[in-house]
Amino acid sequence: EVQLVESGGGLVQPGGSLRLSCAASGFTFSSYWIHWVRQVPGKGLVWVSRISSDGSTSIYADSVKGRFTISRDNAKNTLYLQMNSLRVEDTAIYYCARAGGLFVDIWGQGTMVTVSS
Amino acid sequence: DIEMSQSPATLSVSPGERATLSCRASQIVASNLAWYQQRPGQAPRLLIFDASSRPTGIPARFSGSGSGTEFTLTISNLQYEDFAVYYCHQYHFWPLTFGGGTKLEI
Repeated sequence: EVQLVESGGGLVQPGGSLRLSCAASGFTFSSYWIHWVRQVPGKGLVWVSRISSDGSTSIYADSVKGRFTISRDNAKNTLYLQMNSLRVEDTAIYYCARAGGLFVDIWGQGTMVTVSS
Repeated sequence: DIEMSQSPATLSVSPGERATLSCRASQIVASNLAWYQQRPGQAPRLLIFDASSRPTGIPARFSGSGSGTEFTLTISNLQYEDFAVYYCHQYHFWPLTFGGGTKLEI
C-alpha cells in the first residue's frame, strides 16, 4: 500500500523551531518529487514547498522562504521540513504529498503544528 | 500568484441527485487542473487530474471538464459518502495554488 506518514508536529512558541518528518512506503520514494502542503483547520489548502526526486532542487512559497528548509533522505525513504522562526500564522496541519506527475496524487494524514505562547 | 475561485461555496443537494461544482483560474492554466475530495478529519483524495482524467479506483460518477480558465466537477447519483469539501488545484504555474473549496452538504 502506498503510504505517507507525517510526524513531528506539536506546540512551539513563536520564534521557535520544529522539524517535521514524512515516512514513505509502498512505492519507489527516490523516483518522486514530494511536496509539503498546509491547512489551517477548517480552511483551505496552501502549498508550502517542493523537493525534486534526488533532492537537488527545492522551491518554497514566499511566506516560508528563508525560514523553512525541505530535504530528503532517499536511503531512509523520508522527507523532512525544518521550520525555523515560527510564527503564529504558521499554525496548521502539515501534509506531505507525492507528486504523481505535476499534480499531487497521494497525501499523508497530516501532522498538526501549533505556534502559540 | 494564480487565484483559483470556486463556486458555490456551499451546495445543498440530495442523495441520488447530480452536483455541479465550478472552478475558475485567474489565468489560463491549460488542462493542468486537479480536483480533490476532503472528508472531515481526513486528508484530501485525488479525484480528477489533467482536468478530466480519473485515477484508478475513482468511481465513474465523478467527471471533470474544462480547460483554460473554466473548469467543472460533476458528481452524478450522489452517495452519502460524497458529502465533503471539494478543492480545485492548478499545477500550471508556480506557486501551486488551490481554490477555497466547495462544501457539498445534504
